[in-house]
Amino acid sequence: DAGITQSPRHKVTETGTPVTLRCHQTENHRYMYWYRQDPGHGLRLIHYSYGVKDTDKGEVSDGYSVSRSKTEDFLLTLESATSSQTSVYFCAISETGGTGSPPNYGYTFGSGTRLTVV
Amino acid sequence: EDKVVQSPLSLVVHEGDTVTLNCSYEVTNFRSLLWYKQEKKAPTFLFMLTSSGIEKKSGRLSSILDKKELFSILNITATQTGDSAIYLCAGANRDDKIIFGKGTRLHILP
Repeated sequence: DAGITQSPRHKVTETGTPVTLRCHQTENHRYMYWYRQDPGHGLRLIHYSYGVKDTDKGEVSDGYSVSRSKTEDFLLTLESATSSQTSVYFCAISETGGTGSPPNYGYTFGSGTRLTVV
Repeated sequence: EDKVVQSPLSLVVHEGDTVTLNCSYEVTNFRSLLWYKQEKKAPTFLFMLTSSGIEKKSGRLSSILDKKELFSILNITATQTGDSAIYLCAGANRDDKIIFGKGTRLHILP
């Protein structure tokens, strides 16, 4: 989508190395999310942010950290990548966090980052 | 623990058929139920439901929420091959967390 970009699109890294994924938005939305998608699990929330420097854990946060120093960027860091973190990572943004009236509700997802840890 | 369960996990029908996808949820401090369609890349938003019994429609797609039974359905009538996708259901709570189901993989045969 035009208002949200993820980088890199693909990455292969070695076990034990740090990795940072970037989500950048131009919509000035308050809420940003990081998900991972794995076969048989659907989308699972890693961390989310409800404002600059305001973040909280999701259901699969172990091994991940996030930072949001400005509205437009939400960074996901794997401090020491493991093979179990091989996945497709999606960033999402929301203006209202799921509330509000059209068109200011719902979520917009980035195109994903395919991360392979070898 | 909050959870969203979708059924069936996989469905194959012929073009022109009508399909119903199911979503049950257990979400603490529930706020809304969301449906997404995922084709090749990222999920795209379909519907957000917050009130029971009010049907949302968009072309051949419609959805309704039952907050008493903690259940939602997504209907697709007169299916087309372009409807082939994974359909994701998600529950959002008042703390702005969203929990997704595993999705229903729908395949439409020509």
